Amino acid sequence: QKEVEQNSGPLSVPEGAIASLNCTYSDRVSQSFFWYRQYSGKSPELIMSIYSNGDKEDGRFTAQLNKASQYVSLLIRDSQPSDSATYLCAVYSNSGYALNFGKGTSLLVTP
Amino acid sequence: EPEVTQTPSHQVTQMGQEVILRCVPISNHLYFYWYRQILGQKVEFLVSFYNNEISEKSEIFDDQFSVERPDGSNFTLKIRSTKLEDSAMYFCASSDPGTGASTDTQYFGPGTRLTVL
Repeated sequence: QKEVEQNSGPLSVPEGAIASLNCTYSDRVSQSFFWYRQYSGKSPELIMSIYSNGDKEDGRFTAQLNKASQYVSLLIRDSQPSDSATYLCAVYSNSGYALNFGKGTSLLVTP
Repeated sequence: EPEVTQTPSHQVTQMGQEVILRCVPISNHLYFYWYRQILGQKVEFLVSFYNNEISEKSEIFDDQFSVERPDGSNFTLKIRSTKLEDSAMYFCASSDPGTGASTDTQYFGPGTRLTVL
């Protein structure tokens, strides 16, 4: 069973701070990685995808990928209370058809 | 902006009854998926569907489950004889393999909350 591991949190950061979310995966051949945000009772909403080693920035979000360490992270700069949600890390299975999700990290941004 | 839609938003059924959950994927997408999320647990893959056939299914997707694309727009998940443990949120997703690869971004619908009594 290929695993995607995340710290469940909750991670609490003050408004305006940087939130750092981490994810490790077990399938060394994985090539495609995604961060989704999920508000309580809602569906996963895509934040970012990343396919290559290094950093990818989109607005206040930066995804970082290190395939050698099997590690992907998400940084949220200038965190806002509206960022309070569960952040899901997802990795494609080696068949390329299924997304394997982590359990998610709960983020709380306090005013 | 195109989006995945799902109906109904909430379905309540008696144990042993059949249910059909409906999804309309994004119109130019070619890959379709069903996932479920039991309350408090992680999102779990059920099945993927491409070119009118199942491309992959998980251990959860047993003989009680089936999928169908009855026309050019709808994608359905049928549970033949529901069990209490089928109670969950069911999400439909679709992706557009613009690169020719299947590993493209999946966009999720709002979900159907299934409650089995």
